[in-house]
Amino acid sequence: AAGVIQSPRHLIKEKRETATLKCYPIPRHDTVYWYQQGPGQDPQFLISFYEKMQSDKGSIPDRFSAQQFSDYHSELNMSSLELGDSALYFCASSPRDSSLTDTQYFGPGTRLTVL
Amino acid sequence: AQSVTQLGSHVSVSEGALVLLRCNYSSSVPPYLFWYVQYPNQGLQLLLKYTTGATLVKGINGFEAEFKKSETSFHLTKPSAHMSDAAEYFCAVSTGFQKLVFGTGTRLLVSP
Repeated sequence: AAGVIQSPRHLIKEKRETATLKCYPIPRHDTVYWYQQGPGQDPQFLISFYEKMQSDKGSIPDRFSAQQFSDYHSELNMSSLELGDSALYFCASSPRDSSLTDTQYFGPGTRLTVL
Repeated sequence: AQSVTQLGSHVSVSEGALVLLRCNYSSSVPPYLFWYVQYPNQGLQLLLKYTTGATLVKGINGFEAEFKKSETSFHLTKPSAHMSDAAEYFCAVSTGFQKLVFGTGTRLLVSP
């Protein structure tokens, strides 16, 4: 079965640089969530999109922005990177069809290292 | 607001022993509850979930969990641990089609 695809899998950036993380949800999934997992931490919700509109916002820094495109893929843009942004970034997708129970399927994550 | 508390950051068991990972939740509305497993340097894999209906939920790899509303608990169990069960386990709560709120995780160690 198709899974959530994230690219790149690994990314190394310098402080103050920018980074773009991409997420391709499971086909026919219209909702995308972004989470950040710091070293030894639990995943923290950043932002979510439903049908290309932002549906919820968590503890996402103002330096970060995200959007969902017409093909439902999503991108997380991170600017002025700081050392503390080093983390594993997960994307999850779910179908909003009310006939299905709400389950978020996670991608393998993008490991961002800021030097 | 919702929250999840996982008791024990580390749990050690012997191979073949019972696995019990504890999760208590707080939610002002009926919760959806999930257990995810994370192997080193990998993503989160859904083990099982409770939304409505039967309170005893069976998942993959022989795991199961029971939703107990009176105790606000959703503990994860497996009758007999296997070496391959060693991983980080996260309990999570949502109210349906909403963000997941995770607990701090429990690392399961399995010794031969």
